[in-house]
Amino acid sequence: GAVVSQHPSRVICKSGTSVKIECRSLDFQATTMFWYRQFPKQSLMLMATSNEGSKATYEQGVEKDKFLINHASLTLSTLTVTSAHPEDSSFYICSASGPLGNTEAFFGQGTRLTVV
Amino acid sequence: DQQVKQNSPSLSVQEGRISILNCDYTNSMFDYFLWYKKYPAEGPTFLISISSIKDKNEDGRFTVFLNKSAKHLSLHIVPSQPGDSAVYFCAARASNTGNQFYFGTGTSLTVIP
Repeated sequence: GAVVSQHPSRVICKSGTSVKIECRSLDFQATTMFWYRQFPKQSLMLMATSNEGSKATYEQGVEKDKFLINHASLTLSTLTVTSAHPEDSSFYICSASGPLGNTEAFFGQGTRLTVV
Repeated sequence: DQQVKQNSPSLSVQEGRISILNCDYTNSMFDYFLWYKKYPAEGPTFLISISSIKDKNEDGRFTVFLNKSAKHLSLHIVPSQPGDSAVYFCAARASNTGNQFYFGTGTSLTVIP
C-alpha cells in the first residue's frame, strides 16, 4: 500500500509555543489530506480536510486560527498548533487519499503532542 | 453527532475462535466502509473494505458483512490469533461529500492465547 510519513512522532513543548507537524505522502500524490485527533480511549475525530492549493475545511468546533493547516504541495501537508496549551495534548494523525483512487485513506504514524 | 458507532468498547476472545466486531451507522449516504486496525501510539492500518453494492467481502481470515437495511456492518476474524489484539475502527464515507472518512469509537480486541 501507499506510504504516508508523519513527523515528528513525539513532541513535548512548553505552553504558549507553536508546534508544526508534517505529513508527507512518499510514493503518491495526495490531492486530499485529513487531520485527525484522538483523545485517550476515544475515536479518531476529524479536525479538517485540506486540498492541495486551497484552504482547509475545518470541522465544526475546530479553531482554524489555532490549528493552521497548509497543503502547499501534492506530497506535503502541515498542521501547526499555535500557542499550545496543555489541553491541546493529544495524538494527532494525518491521512491522505489520492490518485490511487478515493477508496482508501492511508494513515501516518501519528504524533503524540504533550504540552507542559 | 457520531455518525458511525461501535457500541462494544472491548471484546475478549479465545485464540482459534471467531471474533465478531460490530459497527452501526446513521448516514444512509455512506457508500464505502472500511475497517482499520490500530496499535497504541501508531497510526491506523487498513484491514479490509466493502462497497455498498456488496454485502460481503472476504480476505483471508477477515470477512466484512454489510447489511444496508439495518445500517450495520461487522468484521469477522477467524481463527483469531494473539497478534490480532488491537483496537479496530470501522470507518465510512459518502462519495458525494468528498473523501472524508468518519470513524467509529473503536473496539479493543484481546485474543487470549
